[in-house]
Amino acid sequence: AQTVTQSQPEMSVQEAETVTLSCTYDTSESDYYLFWYKQPPSRQMILVIRQEAYKQQNATENRFSVNFQKAAKSFSLKISDSQLGDAAMYFCAYRRMNYGGSQGNLIFGKGTKLSVKP
Amino acid sequence: DGGITQSPKYLFRKEGQNVTLSCEQNLNHDAMYWYRQDPGQGLRLIYYSQIVNDFQKGDIAEGYSVSREKKESFPLTVTSAQKNPTAFYLCASSIDARSGMAQYFGPGTRLTVL
Repeated sequence: AQTVTQSQPEMSVQEAETVTLSCTYDTSESDYYLFWYKQPPSRQMILVIRQEAYKQQNATENRFSVNFQKAAKSFSLKISDSQLGDAAMYFCAYRRMNYGGSQGNLIFGKGTKLSVKP
Repeated sequence: DGGITQSPKYLFRKEGQNVTLSCEQNLNHDAMYWYRQDPGQGLRLIYYSQIVNDFQKGDIAEGYSVSREKKESFPLTVTSAQKNPTAFYLCASSIDARSGMAQYFGPGTRLTVL
């Protein structure tokens, strides 16, 4: 079974600085999808970024980018120019490719709590 | 605006009572999901539905039931058989259940058993 591990329960960053959140996963599949979700204090889950494993190019969304290392099964999230609004729980998630039913559902890590200091 | 709505935001239940959590989406998504979140944990899948009139159990379905009579709606009933129902419940939807398109989430319902 696939598992997702976020080894940093909490992280802190100074406003305007850069921070990297770690995520590793375990799978025997060669094709899959990876996601980062943000959960602010309102508790609504917000999609940050999505990566397709068959694409070598790292996904980027404005100040958010990933470092996808397929061989190492690593999927870290880099937040540049951190803002106070970035303070939240961040969850890494894995999904198998082209599977319906329970095989295709998201598997989440336990999250990293990011604090942003002014 | 397109999106997912959940109601109520907060729900209190006495032991032995069944309660129903509402989830509605106007994104025209085929697939819908219910997750449970406990403190310090990631999300765990309760039930999912790939299409109207079809739904399947997730990892922690015991004590829960769902229906999918309309594409837009996927209510979750927490029954008295659920031994520890106090949690935060999130509903999500995606275009379909087979592609790798992202799931989009509603604002959640906080259920507390008194």
